Amino acid sequence: DVKVTQSSRYLVKRTGEKVFLECVQDMDHENMFWYRQDPGLGLRLIYFSYDVKMKEKGDIPEGYSVSREKKERFSLILESASTNQTSMYLCASSFLSGNEQYFGPGTRLTVT
Amino acid sequence: EDKVVQSPLSLVVHEGDTVTLNCSYEVTNFRSLLWYKQEKKAPTFLFMLTSSGIEKKSGRLSSILDKKELFSILNITATQTGDSAIYLCAVNRGTSYGKLTFGQGTILTVHP
Repeated sequence: DVKVTQSSRYLVKRTGEKVFLECVQDMDHENMFWYRQDPGLGLRLIYFSYDVKMKEKGDIPEGYSVSREKKERFSLILESASTNQTSMYLCASSFLSGNEQYFGPGTRLTVT
Repeated sequence: EDKVVQSPLSLVVHEGDTVTLNCSYEVTNFRSLLWYKQEKKAPTFLFMLTSSGIEKKSGRLSSILDKKELFSILNITATQTGDSAIYLCAVNRGTSYGKLTFGQGTILTVHP
């Protein structure tokens, strides 16, 4: 079974803090993705990576950066957290030419 | 701009009812349409549709795609309380890295 894990289920941070969200997959997938999920807006793609050290912006990259130093690990970084980044963050992975993405359980981040 | 729209946004039914969830799309380079179920955890994959008119079926769930009219439906017959979830529709935009565009999701609540 594919397993995608995320470092925290719930996280509370203060405005201005630097926040790291970690994602690890165990299926040797080339692609990894970060989404945020907000009520009424569905899942929106923040960044994705198709190889180690390779990354591309998604639809809403502002205020975020990413790091992929190893194939199995993809990190989302909020350089200076703001209240409008309060959201559910979902990580996913897939094969390079795959259709189906496999999701982690999500991290619910609250920025106060 | 690529767009995926789901309807209704929420639905409340009683056990035993049949429900139909809708997903319409406008995307360039359509490759496939996927349905996911999300309970209080990671979205889990239900179906992938690539060809018009071919029904995919799994137990009480079924789905079909109409590539001419650009929509898909997900049917659930004899609903159970365990079907309560958010149902997500996503379209693979046919890019190299399998990026998905998601709809807003439909929140289904099944009462006993």
